[in-house]
Amino acid sequence: AQKITQTQPGMFVQEKEAVTLDCTYDTSDPSYGLFWYKQPSSGEMIFLIYQGSYDQQNATEGRYSLNFQKARKSANLVISASQLGDSAMYFCAMREGPYLSNNDMRFGAGTRLTVKP
Amino acid sequence: DTAVSQTPKYLVTQMGNDKSIKCEQNLGHDTMYWYKQDSKKFLKIMFSYNNKELIINETVPNRFSPKSPDKAHLNLHINSLELGDSAVYFCASSQVRQDYNSPLHFGNGTRLTVT
Repeated sequence: AQKITQTQPGMFVQEKEAVTLDCTYDTSDPSYGLFWYKQPSSGEMIFLIYQGSYDQQNATEGRYSLNFQKARKSANLVISASQLGDSAMYFCAMREGPYLSNNDMRFGAGTRLTVKP
Repeated sequence: DTAVSQTPKYLVTQMGNDKSIKCEQNLGHDTMYWYKQDSKKFLKIMFSYNNKELIINETVPNRFSPKSPDKAHLNLHINSLELGDSAVYFCASSQVRQDYNSPLHFGNGTRLTVT
């Protein structure tokens, strides 16, 4: 069963505006980590931000922040002041554990973000 | 200075051939992975390898075999290539496998095209 759900196949945002990319997840493990990756058209996978299940505060990294709502099992990525270079695929991912024998990272289907000038 | 490097970047070959993709990481990580990204951009774990323990995704055909000469290298060997094997293959590494807080560090991918 799919554990990571990204319901927005594509999103558009005007340059300099903020955008939220949705991610919901499913796990019964109390210990888990949530991650966001960016994949530009050049193809590489770039790690953006991390949120642990026990973290009390939402994670922030520069213009990226993670809106973590644990009860709703959502981990939305917020990009502030969008730039043309933010146009890319964005993947939400999760690792469960640590007691699982297999806590490999699982990915959502991705959201393609296009920033308009 | 590349943390995770994989070669080649592009690989074009014919059906039935055998090919290998090499991966090396200089991060000192304990665990390495192979992921497959299909034409719809979906990323799927194929293998994870940690201290000689191999975990194989059950959906991976046995034509695919990872080979690890040492902790810093995890190569992917594919026998009898099929058209459906065409995809982008990513190597990745992370610190201790049980550390669910650790992100994965990815190589730049190998685009495999089978004709």
